[in-house]
Amino acid sequence: EPEVTQTPSHQVTQMGQEVILRCVPISNHLYFYWYRQILGQKVEFLVSFYNNEISEKSEIFDDQFSVERPDGSNFTLKIRSTKLEDSAMYFCASSVGTRETQYFGPGTRLLVL
Amino acid sequence: DAKTTQPTSMDCAEGRAANLPCNHSTISGNEYVYWYRQIHSQGPQYIIHGLKNNETNEMASLIITEDRKSSTLILPHATLRDTAVYYCIVRGTGTASKLTFGTGTRLQVTL
Repeated sequence: EPEVTQTPSHQVTQMGQEVILRCVPISNHLYFYWYRQILGQKVEFLVSFYNNEISEKSEIFDDQFSVERPDGSNFTLKIRSTKLEDSAMYFCASSVGTRETQYFGPGTRLLVL
Repeated sequence: DAKTTQPTSMDCAEGRAANLPCNHSTISGNEYVYWYRQIHSQGPQYIIHGLKNNETNEMASLIITEDRKSSTLILPHATLRDTAVYYCIVRGTGTASKLTFGTGTRLQVTL
């Protein structure tokens, strides 16, 4: 069964450093999402992406964040200058269409020191 | 998207049916009810969804009341592996519509 995959599973970085989180969505999916979950808190929507454009973004997704689909398979989330409060699990998801079910990857645990 | 209300926690004995309720009294006619679960800190796992008819798949059944203001997720024979946080989410159908997660129900399956 096709799955969303994410790399790395864990990332430790120093405050102020740039990080790139990678996702490989399910191959025939066209809509891509990033969510995050700070330890002990709710899963929060960050951004949705379709046709090489951001469709929707939350207040969390400020200028420090960017997303890209650099090739036909990867979908990335970049945080330009990490802050301590960026420490969280980051989940990628994808769906066939906007009204279709979103399937999530296993997540990347980001720790900013 | 309509707000949902779920109990904070529930217990269920292994082998018994787990019935997880959800209230979504402000749901509108074109909004679906989705259920996901999250085992420990893993990625949310899709379980089932429906609009107004009851639905069943290999994981669970979803019962939606006729007025659509509430629903129940049924795990027919709960196992220890079903211990997780279960999220009931009402989802709109706009462009690339996001999922809004609440705090969910923490289901503990016990021997």
